[in-house]
Amino acid sequence: EAQVTQNPRYLITVTGKKLTVTCSQNMNHEYMSWYRQDPGLGLRQIYYSMNVEVTDKGDVPEGYKVSRKEKRNFPLILESPSPNQTSLYFCASSPNPLHEQFFGPGTRLTVL
Amino acid sequence: TQLLEQSPQFLSIQEGENLTVYCNSSSVFSSLQWYRQEPGEGPVLLVTVVTGGEVKKLKRLTFQFGDARKDSSLHITAAQPGDTGLYLCAGVFRTGNQFYFGTGTSLTVIP
Repeated sequence: EAQVTQNPRYLITVTGKKLTVTCSQNMNHEYMSWYRQDPGLGLRQIYYSMNVEVTDKGDVPEGYKVSRKEKRNFPLILESPSPNQTSLYFCASSPNPLHEQFFGPGTRLTVL
Repeated sequence: TQLLEQSPQFLSIQEGENLTVYCNSSSVFSSLQWYRQEPGEGPVLLVTVVTGGEVKKLKRLTFQFGDARKDSSLHITAAQPGDTGLYLCAGVFRTGNQFYFGTGTSLTVIP
């Protein structure tokens, strides 16, 4: 089954404790991206990747890191999480940014 | 930051009514997409429009792309409770590869 998977689905952590949210797709897509969704602000792109080893900042990259060492994986790293990073996070993939974005199930992160 | 403005932000209507949601930008889209999102789930694509002036129909949903490719609308005819959800316009502007979403329209259809 073609899909985007994210783990964990739910995470409660404390300020400053490094965490990684994994994202994997099995559709051989070139374009992958991370979004955060907050009430009243909609979905905002954090980082995107056009291909392996190519990543670019989106609208809200501060406090986040990403890597794209393999085509299928695009982990999101929070080196020192803060409460303002509490949000619902989505990973997505597509053949390119002009095509349909396929979304993962989301990761609900709470930073205390 | 390039902005996609959606209106209205909230819409509550009775079953059987018609409605239109608008998506506007000051920049030209390379392509524009409409998604629908259920609570706690990722957005799911409804349609992609590429050509200025394009009109696409998906059952009771009609999507229109502005001639200048800066705006779009979604019209729902005879809304049903199953249409309830968050409707999002999204796309890539001609100037880059970053993907932008509108702030969304939360639609509630009352039986």
